[in-house]
Amino acid sequence: DAGITQSPRYKITETGRQVTLMCHQTWSHSYMFWYRQDLGHGLRLIYYSAAADITDKGEVPDGYVVSRSKTENFPLTLESATRSQTSVYFCASRTGREQYFGPGTRLTVT
Amino acid sequence: GENVEQHPSTLSVQEGDSAVIKCTYSDSASNYFPWYKQELGKGPQLIIDIRSNVGEKKDQRIAVTLNKTAKHFSLHITETQPEDSAVYFCAASLGASYDKVIFGPGTSLSVIP
Repeated sequence: DAGITQSPRYKITETGRQVTLMCHQTWSHSYMFWYRQDLGHGLRLIYYSAAADITDKGEVPDGYVVSRSKTENFPLTLESATRSQTSVYFCASRTGREQYFGPGTRLTVT
Repeated sequence: GENVEQHPSTLSVQEGDSAVIKCTYSDSASNYFPWYKQELGKGPQLIIDIRSNVGEKKDQRIAVTLNKTAKHFSLHITETQPEDSAVYFCAASLGASYDKVIFGPGTSLSVIP
């Protein structure tokens, strides 16, 4: 039972490149979320999805794109990476009140 | 929109002592307040939560209190153990739904054996 997985776990990319971070959950939870974690800011919501084909912006959506064609997958794309997007990215899914987080992807933009 | 503040940012306690982390929120419509624990290299994990119709909730060594009038809530850990060392995040719902929550900046707790 894998739960929620993220790939890759580590990524280094250059400014201007497109990067896609993958998130997969095995529970069929309706809600999924993408957060970024930066020192001093905690976890900030980028985008969330209430169901397949339903997505909405969070606190810091600029520079990011999401899609959700299947319930179990919620990829996050940085269309043109910038150094300010260097961060640790967490995907989460929710059932009831509790959010279940993946292990995170550490992204470095050089 | 909702703003969640959290204090202190770092906290060191001796094993066996108590630890208290305090949070404030700005949206009076918020009605759900979870606490997450993040161990090194892992994603956050829910440890306890409280709804606005409850003033206090306890689960073994951890407890959370809520003061809706003052818009602040606190996490209390008693008889701390080294495995309690982690980063703790408070959060508040965006409005009256727990579809989305806003997280505080986190508190790094170190329990010294």
